[in-house]
Amino acid sequence: QKEVEQNSGPLSVPEGAIASLNCTYSDRGSQSFFWYRQYSGKSPELIMFIYSNGDKEDGRFTAQLNKASQYVSLLIRDSQPSDSATYLCAPNPGGKLIFGQGTELSVKP
Amino acid sequence: DTAVSQTPKYLVTQMGNDKSIKCEQNLGHDTMYWYKQDSKKFLKIMFSYNNKELIINETVPNRFSPKSPDKAHLNLHINSLELGDSAVYFCASSGQGPANYGYTFGSGTRLTVV
Repeated sequence: QKEVEQNSGPLSVPEGAIASLNCTYSDRGSQSFFWYRQYSGKSPELIMFIYSNGDKEDGRFTAQLNKASQYVSLLIRDSQPSDSATYLCAPNPGGKLIFGQGTELSVKP
Repeated sequence: DTAVSQTPKYLVTQMGNDKSIKCEQNLGHDTMYWYKQDSKKFLKIMFSYNNKELIINETVPNRFSPKSPDKAHLNLHINSLELGDSAVYFCASSGQGPANYGYTFGSGTRLTVV
């Protein structure tokens, strides 16, 4: 079993729709979880982090965490073409970020 | 001001050569990392240093040797380069506390071994 699993996509949504990105992880010792966005040819940039069960909202982004199910997700509301990128899920077991393979999101105008 | 800077941005070299990549951060972070992103875009941790001390050393060929002269710098030296070393190498840094466990990445070094 991979440490972090994400659907590689591509996930295609129309502009203005909600994009839902999912991630499962294997290490129950993970306490905090990060979502990064990576545009093609660029470095990963932090979107948000979550460490408590439930939802955390930041602008158009909502992260959801369920530690019992070892599941974390990212919702992007009112998706824009500029959101088209690869989204990387990263739990933080033992102080090091372990990345999933990323989900490629394409937002069509 | 660039927070995490890497040099060079591109590196093309022949098999068997030795090369180095340099990284510097001006964020005052204590911990620095090297990640490798392969052609399938999978980001994998290689090394981590905390205040000049090696704390994470993943299963990486010993041709790869990190060096941290101070907590603001972390360099990566690669001996006897192989075709499979071609990838993008990212340096990153992080501070203390839950909010700061998120890493700040450099812009990456695209290494091509021919």
